[in-house]
Amino acid sequence: GQNIDQPTEMTATEGAIVQINCTYQTSGFNGLFWYQQHAGEAPTFLSYNVLDGLEEKGRFSSFLSRSKGYSYLLLKELQMKDSASYLCAVIDSNYQLIWGAGTKLIIKP
Amino acid sequence: IAGITQAPTSQILAAGRRMTLRCTQDMRHNAMYWYRQDLGLGLRLIHYSNTAGTTGKGEVPDGYSVSRANTDDFPLTLASAVPSQTSVYFCASSDSSGRDADTQYFGPGTRLTVL
Repeated sequence: GQNIDQPTEMTATEGAIVQINCTYQTSGFNGLFWYQQHAGEAPTFLSYNVLDGLEEKGRFSSFLSRSKGYSYLLLKELQMKDSASYLCAVIDSNYQLIWGAGTKLIIKP
Repeated sequence: IAGITQAPTSQILAAGRRMTLRCTQDMRHNAMYWYRQDLGLGLRLIHYSNTAGTTGKGEVPDGYSVSRANTDDFPLTLASAVPSQTSVYFCASSDSSGRDADTQYFGPGTRLTVL
């Protein structure tokens, strides 16, 4: 079967750095997405990785290792508005998007 | 402003009733999707459409039907609602070409309660 694992919940402090991990076992791989979802709102696109390495976009970075079936989302200089769920999703060999259950990130002052 | 709209925003429905959730996008995306999101389970694909005139079943299609008569609209119908269909429903779209390929953009969601 296909599986994407993320921690259910994480807590971090305002101004700090947090790393949210995602491991996947899918039938093939054609890319990995990270989405942000604030409570009661729709998911919004954050990043896309298809090659190994780090993609940086402002305070957010996403890393991919295809050989390890592993990705992480790194959030720097945390702000209260970063409190949200972060969803990892993988495109499989059939170009279907397989979603993780999401990681709820709680930011404390 | 370009994007995806969904209607209604929320709905309480009696079991056994028929309900259609509406979704419209104005980005001219070829692909559209319907998901349900339940606490702790993440997004689950109900049905999808790769292009106007075609549809396909996702992970949890039972009890739902869709149609794609044109590029912009992708309604989801519950023929006879059951309480297990209580969920938040998201419509999404994507363009399969260009550097933005496969990135899905989501509507605001419909919160459905079936009693």
